[in-house]
Amino acid sequence: DTAVSQTPKYLVTQMGNDKSIKCEQNLGHDTMYWYKQDSKKFLKIMFSYNNKELIINETVPNRFSPKSPDKAHLNLHINSLELGDSAVYFCASSLRADTQYFGPGTRLTVL
Amino acid sequence: AQSVTQPDIHITVSEGASLELRCNYSYGATPYLFWYVQSPGQGLQLLLKYFSGDTLVQGIKGFEAEFKRSQSSFNLRKPSVHWSDAAEYFCAVGAFNNDMRFGAGTRLTVKP
Repeated sequence: DTAVSQTPKYLVTQMGNDKSIKCEQNLGHDTMYWYKQDSKKFLKIMFSYNNKELIINETVPNRFSPKSPDKAHLNLHINSLELGDSAVYFCASSLRADTQYFGPGTRLTVL
Repeated sequence: AQSVTQPDIHITVSEGASLELRCNYSYGATPYLFWYVQSPGQGLQLLLKYFSGDTLVQGIKGFEAEFKRSQSSFNLRKPSVHWSDAAEYFCAVGAFNNDMRFGAGTRLTVKP
C-alpha cells in the first residue's frame, strides 16, 4: 500500500533525449510537488499542483513540463535532456499546507 | 520567500551520546516547521512538525524539537543516538501556499 510512488526508480539516458517520470499518490491529497535534489543533497522545489492547477512554478527551464491528469497523478516530462539535469527527482503530496509525503525518488543520469 | 539555514554540514557523535541539530529560519509570518530524515538511497521521512501550540514537539524515533520564535530556531534533539540514526537530516519551513523550503541538510555520522 505505497503512499507515493514514482516510476522509474533509475533512468539513464543520452543528452538530447526526452524522458518522463511518473508519480502517483493514493493518500487522497489535493496537492502534489516535484523536487530536484542535486549531488550535494540540496532539495529545491520545482513545481506544485493543487487540484490539477499549477500553483508554484520555480525558475525551472521550460524544457521541464509537469502534467497532472488528475489529483492523484503528477508526471514530469523533460525535453532535450542536458548533463546538468542529472539529479534525484522526488515527488511529494500533501493535503493543502500540511505535511508533505515523499516518494522514493528517481535517479536520473544523463550521459 | 521563506528560507532555512542549517549551519552544520556534517556532525559526528558517538553512539549513546546526545544530539542537537541546528536550524534557523526566516519567514515573515507564523511558520510551519518540519524535520525530515533521509537514509542513503531513500526518500524523505517526516520526523516531526510544528504548526502551533506547544513549542516542544515530539516525533518518531525518540526525536524532539523546540520552536523558539525569539531566536527563529527549530533545533532537533535526541538524548541518546543509535547507530541507525546515521542519515541526512533536513529542516524545512512551509508557508500557507504549500511552498516549502528546505535547508541544505546536516549529515549525521555515528561512531561506535
